[in-house]
Amino acid sequence: DVKVTQSSRYLVKRTGEKVFLECVQDMDHENMFWYRQDPGLGLRLIYFSYDVKMKEKGDIPEGYSVSREKKERFSLILESASTNQTSMYLCASSLRLDNAAFFGQGTRLTVV
Amino acid sequence: KQEVTQIPAALSVPEGENLVLNCSFTDSAIYNLQWFRQDPGKGLTSLLLIQSSQREQTSGRLNASLDKSSGRSTLYIAASQPGDSATYLCAVGEDTGFQKLVFGTGTRLLVSP
Repeated sequence: DVKVTQSSRYLVKRTGEKVFLECVQDMDHENMFWYRQDPGLGLRLIYFSYDVKMKEKGDIPEGYSVSREKKERFSLILESASTNQTSMYLCASSLRLDNAAFFGQGTRLTVV
Repeated sequence: KQEVTQIPAALSVPEGENLVLNCSFTDSAIYNLQWFRQDPGKGLTSLLLIQSSQREQTSGRLNASLDKSSGRSTLYIAASQPGDSATYLCAVGEDTGFQKLVFGTGTRLLVSP
């Protein structure tokens, strides 16, 4: 079975902290994605990576960066967390462009 | 800009009913459409993927259809069960050079025993 694992289910961080969200997939997928999900706004793409060390900005990259040093791992970094980054963060991966995307269980981040 | 709409936003049915969830999109230049299920506080579970060249896909009690020219997809759930209660999301895969999924805001389904 396809498996995408996010390192934390729940996180509480303080304003100004640097926050790392980790995602690992075990399917040798090329593509990995970070989304955030907010009530009334749905899922929005933050960043995506199509290969090791390659990344592309999504719709809402401001305040975030990413790292993909190994094929199976994709990290989302909040350089200086702010309260408006309180959200559910979802990682996904897919083998190729026309393949299904598989999601992790989500990380509920609260910034206080 | 692609916009994806799901109607209704919420649906409540008794167990055993057959039901249809709707998804519409504004730009027909898609390469696939995917239906997901999301339980409260959880991630998304992939249900069905329809490529742009296909008309429908089936998995168990689920059947998804795609009419690309009219910008519509439907998810048909046969003989609904309380365990089907969840939010159902559709997402279109845009042909932008990488796999960008544009999501609808979902239909929240409640199936009562």
